[in-house]
Amino acid sequence: ETGVTQTPRHLVMGMTNKKSLKCEQHLGHNAMYWYKQSAKKPLELMFVYNFKEQTENNSVPSRFSPECPNSSHLFLHLHTLQPEDSALYLCASSQITLNTEAFFGQGTRLTVV
Amino acid sequence: AQTVTQSQPEMSVQEAETVTLSCTYDTSENNYYLFWYKQPPSRQMILVIRQEAYKQQNATENRFSVNFQKAAKSFSLKISDSQLGDTAMYFCAFMNDGGSNYKLTFGKGTLLTVNP
Repeated sequence: ETGVTQTPRHLVMGMTNKKSLKCEQHLGHNAMYWYKQSAKKPLELMFVYNFKEQTENNSVPSRFSPECPNSSHLFLHLHTLQPEDSALYLCASSQITLNTEAFFGQGTRLTVV
Repeated sequence: AQTVTQSQPEMSVQEAETVTLSCTYDTSENNYYLFWYKQPPSRQMILVIRQEAYKQQNATENRFSVNFQKAAKSFSLKISDSQLGDTAMYFCAFMNDGGSNYKLTFGKGTLLTVNP
């Protein structure tokens, strides 16, 4: 139990489906992040939210749409994905101060068929 | 842009022995933070150890220690008395001293297997 919870743990979706990934942190942090982890690639930072405001969009395709309604919750809305979007999606949170590490959830294993 | 390189895709070690995982990074910044994260088969990324660039003393956390060479931009992880539970992917990560402009950059990882 790390304080960052992601649901669902596994998701299989067709290319025409719409689904959402959910992340919730119970650590009182003020920043949340989405990372994509593909095989044989470094973790890719997708989005950063500081105090509910998006401060980073790392050239992510528009078929990924983040939403941060409050500092404890983060969503990633998915639509018309491609098979190459299959990956492990990790959510993380941190406190925006110096010398702070990110705390990660267990991830959602997404398969696009 | 910062880059993090882990040149060892896979490593193995016998239980109770010592192993060192390599990491190099590239940055033009003077103050930053370095981390080693562990990702076991359960997929949970767990922080193992961290190092502040302004500190000369190498960080130590029980069986885990680092060899931080700032001039060489090297940040290796040493695991002593390896245990079966140490089997995992290990990621080296760099964080800029950017305050609210947070960036945490990861290497590709090293898969460590501890053999009985």
